[in-house]
Order: sequence, then structure tokens, then C-alpha cells
Amino acid sequence: EVQLVESGGGLVQPGRSLRLSCAASGFIFDDHAMNWVRQAPGKGLEWVSGISWNSGSLAYADAVKGRFTISRDNAKNSVFLQMNSLRAEDTAVYYCVKVYGGRCFDYWGRGTLVTVSS
Amino acid sequence: EIVLTQSPGTLSLSPGERATLSCRASQSVDSFYVAWYQQKPGQAPRLVIHGASSRATGIPDRFSGSGSGTDFTLTISRLEPEDFAVYYCQHYGSTLFTFGPGTKVDIK
Repeated sequence: EVQLVESGGGLVQPGRSLRLSCAASGFIFDDHAMNWVRQAPGKGLEWVSGISWNSGSLAYADAVKGRFTISRDNAKNSVFLQMNSLRAEDTAVYYCVKVYGGRCFDYWGRGTLVTVSS
Repeated sequence: EIVLTQSPGTLSLSPGERATLSCRASQSVDSFYVAWYQQKPGQAPRLVIHGASSRATGIPDRFSGSGSGTDFTLTISRLEPEDFAVYYCQHYGSTLFTFGPGTKVDIK
């Protein structure tokens, strides 16, 4: 059974940093690209960042480019999102997602809530 | 950058009725890269349709997808109580993923 378990969310002040982790199991992790998608309270889905199977290709939404960094550790079946210079508008549930066929997301974690507030 | 528009914003229907949800892209896209998701309150989204018309694993056959170019449709032939949710369309292109704003299907 595929499982994606996010951790690392919480309350953080504007301008500070936070690092999210996602532990994956139930599939061959280093065969698949992984991404992060977020959802602000009461709002829709917003793609944040993606990383290829071998970390050779990284992509970011304009809203987070230069502030967030995605990485992965295939030995530990984990993907990470380093979030710096956080803003109030980064407040959201952050989902770790597995990419299917390079074009959509077939498995989602339950999400971790990040709240940016003073 | 592709912008996705979904209509209607809310669809109020009764169980057993047919639901037709629309997703329009700001320019023509390859249908291979169009997907639909279902999200229920307090839950993560679930993949329903990929490649515009292929049902994801475990999705019942009352769900169907169609479309090409700029216009795509998700149809639920006969609404079951568990189908009332928000539905998002999504496109992938040029290393970027884009979601539509969603259509809420609620009980009339």
C-alpha cells in the first residue's frame, strides 16, 4: 500500500524558516518524481514544487521561487521542502504527492499545516 | 502559462442525477496532460481521471472524462451520496502543474 506521510508543519513567524519532510513507502521511491501541492484554508489547490527521480530536474511555482528548495534522499525514501522567508500567504496545508506518468498525481499524503503568523 | 477555468462554481443536484462539470484551458492543450481530482471536506484530493478520459484505479464507471483542445468535461452519470465533493481539473505542461479553481457538487 502506498503511503506518504508529511511532517514538520506548525506555527512560524513571518520571515522565518521551516522544513517539511515526507516519508514514502509502498512503491519504488527512486522510480518516481515527487511534488508538493498546497491548499490555503478554504481555497483551491496550488502546485508548489517538483523534483525528478534523480534530483536532476527541479521546478518551482513563481510564488515560491527563490525562497523554497525541494530535495530528496532516495536512500531514506524521503522528500523535503525547505521553506525560507515565509510569508502570511504561505499559510496552507502542504501535501506530498507522487507523480503518475509525469503528468498528474496518483497518491497524496494527508498533509501538514503550515501557519505563518506573528 | 496555461490558465484553467471551471464552471459552474457550484452545482446543486440530487442523488441519481447526472453531473456535468466543465474545465476550459486558456489555450489548446494536449489531452494526455489533463486530469481531474475529487476532494471531500477534511480529506486529501483523489485522482479520478487522467489523460482526460482514463479512470484512475478504483474509480467507478459512473465517472467519465472527455474533451480536447481547450474544453474538457467530467461527467458523473448518476450521483451517489459519496460523490458530493469539490472537483478540480489539472494540466501539466513545461514542467509546471496548474489547477482549476474547482467545482463544488452539493446536494440540492
